[in-house]
Amino acid sequence: RKEVEQDPGPFNVPEGATVAFNCTYSNSASQSFFWYRQDCRKEPKLLMSVYSSGNEDGRFTAQLNRASQYISLLIRDSKLSDSATYLCVVNPGANNLFFGTGTRLTVIP
Amino acid sequence: NAGVTQTPKFRVLKTGQSMTLLCAQDMNHEYMYWYRQDPGMGLRLIHYSVGEGTTAKGEVPDGYNVSRLKKQNFLLGLESAAPSQTSVYFCASTAPSGIYEQYFGPGTRLTVT
Repeated sequence: RKEVEQDPGPFNVPEGATVAFNCTYSNSASQSFFWYRQDCRKEPKLLMSVYSSGNEDGRFTAQLNRASQYISLLIRDSKLSDSATYLCVVNPGANNLFFGTGTRLTVIP
Repeated sequence: NAGVTQTPKFRVLKTGQSMTLLCAQDMNHEYMYWYRQDPGMGLRLIHYSVGEGTTAKGEVPDGYNVSRLKKQNFLLGLESAAPSQTSVYFCASTAPSGIYEQYFGPGTRLTVT
């Protein structure tokens, strides 16, 4: 079983729409969780951390459900510039991170 | 600051050839990582290092070797390239206190024919 699983998409949404991505993780002892963003043919970059209490940064909201072992990312009022692949990332408590395969989002004018 | 840089950006190898990918960071980070990214597979950890002179295996280490002789550099070697090693290779670095925010280099696109 993969450490982190995501729906690969693609998600095609119109500008202004709200879109949500989920991912699940297999290691219940995982300690920290993140969303990274990767633009086409570019390197991944940290988007935001995910806390049990939820985390909001502008139009982006991340949530963690430890009981069900899933993480979500909500994007409100989608912009064309939000088009990218969103990677769900988990730290199992070791010196490295596990990356999901990513969910591709395309925002359509 | 240049951040994390990778050399080369592109490379085509024939099966059996060898090469070394260089990663350099100027952020004084202790930890450095090598990943490969393939379609549908996501980022997979090859090797990593938690300090100068130390290395450890990741999820997919076979066919690769690494060295960390200087804190700012992390080298990835392919001794005998195979078509299965065609991939995009990313290097990343982080400070121990901020392990969640890994800073990535721009990647090396390697094709093995």
